[in-house]
Amino acid sequence: QKEVEQDPGPLSVPEGAIVSLNCTYSNSAFQYFMWYRQYSRKGPELLMYTYSSGNKEDGRFTAQVDKSSKYISLFIRDSQPSDSATYLCAMSARGFQKLVFGTGTRLLVSP
Amino acid sequence: GAVVSQHPSRVICKSGTSVKIECRSLDFQATTMFWYRQFPKQSLMLMATSNEGSKATYEQGVEKDKFLINHASLTLSTLTVTSAHPEDSSFYICSATTEGRGTDTQYFGPGTRLTVL
Repeated sequence: QKEVEQDPGPLSVPEGAIVSLNCTYSNSAFQYFMWYRQYSRKGPELLMYTYSSGNKEDGRFTAQVDKSSKYISLFIRDSQPSDSATYLCAMSARGFQKLVFGTGTRLLVSP
Repeated sequence: GAVVSQHPSRVICKSGTSVKIECRSLDFQATTMFWYRQFPKQSLMLMATSNEGSKATYEQGVEKDKFLINHASLTLSTLTVTSAHPEDSSFYICSATTEGRGTDTQYFGPGTRLTVL
């Protein structure tokens, strides 16, 4: 069993839709939860990170962590074609050291 | 935000040759750099962690004699794939942090696509 599971997609939505991206994990030691965006043939770019459980909002993006269920989510409101990319969840037991990544979900937002 | 560059962005080589990939932090001093490998439709897999001036720490299953890592300065780390074979073809990405405490963001480079013929 992988430590972090993420549906690879692709997930296709129309412009303006609310997008929900999710990951599950098995390691209860994980305390830091990140979401990265990766465009084709580029390195990942950090979108948001959360420590422990709870919600965090940044503009159109909201990250949620439910440690009791070992489940994290990223919501994108009013999705735009420019949001089309692969979204990777990552997590660690200690800050930004030794990140464990999900496979990434490819998101396609059509105009 | 902080910028990390990689060179080359793409390399094609013959089986049996060695390839060196450079990772540079352009506007900050990186005490810790990480090397990842990403196969198609798979997640980034951490290969090794390197701290400036010390030997790299390799993840389980990564051959340290095959993937040589040198972190000679606070702005440069290199990954050398020795005697490359087609199964080493992958996307190699480095990242860097500003501190070794692990509380600062990892900044990722744009990646290097290695193709071994």
